[in-house]
Amino acid sequence: EAGVTQFPSHSVIEKGQTVTLRCDPISGHDNLYWYRRVMGKEIKFLLHFVKESKQDESGMPNNRFLAERTGGTYSTLKVQPAELEDSGVYFCASSLNTGDASTDTQYFGPGTRLTVL
Amino acid sequence: GESVGLHLPTLSVQEGDNSIINCAYSNSASDYFIWYKQESGKGPQFIIDIRSNMDKRQGQRVTVLLNKTVKHLSLQIAATQPGDSAVYFCAENHWRDDKIIFGKGTRLHILP
Repeated sequence: EAGVTQFPSHSVIEKGQTVTLRCDPISGHDNLYWYRRVMGKEIKFLLHFVKESKQDESGMPNNRFLAERTGGTYSTLKVQPAELEDSGVYFCASSLNTGDASTDTQYFGPGTRLTVL
Repeated sequence: GESVGLHLPTLSVQEGDNSIINCAYSNSASDYFIWYKQESGKGPQFIIDIRSNMDKRQGQRVTVLLNKTVKHLSLQIAATQPGDSAVYFCAENHWRDDKIIFGKGTRLHILP
């Protein structure tokens, strides 16, 4: 069974440009999460989809970040315009949706390393 | 506020010895705790978890201990192997809130 996949693995852009990250969750997983780790900091939650609906977007840093999950399958995270402080590794995770966090283990993708110059 | 932190940023262990990675948390309402392992170039990989109604759980070569009195979590790895080299994160979760709160991570070095 394929795991969570993310594209691209690396992205280098200049400040002010736009970047779109993609996440393909494990098939059948209704829950999809975005997290990020900036240099020297812990991994921080960004937002949570249940199917195509945003369940919790309390971790989104500002309105330059837009996440979508049309059709409830893959998700995209767009940063527009990118700033220097957006550099970091963006992780996607997915899980089942049984309603019990202890059984809905979150499986993480390899991450996208974003560098904003 | 909520916080999950780690006592040491790096840990060096002789191959074959046991490793103990510690973690402190501050949210007494947290009821589910997870340990993740992250190898270079990969995402966090689930190792083992424990609910707040337990104080110990064992897996294959790994044991997680939970002390709710002092809000302390530890991961024990038996007979540490070179493949155990990675960054280990403790994380917490509350059943009403799906997001995981991660600690900063401990890098485990295996000495030959």
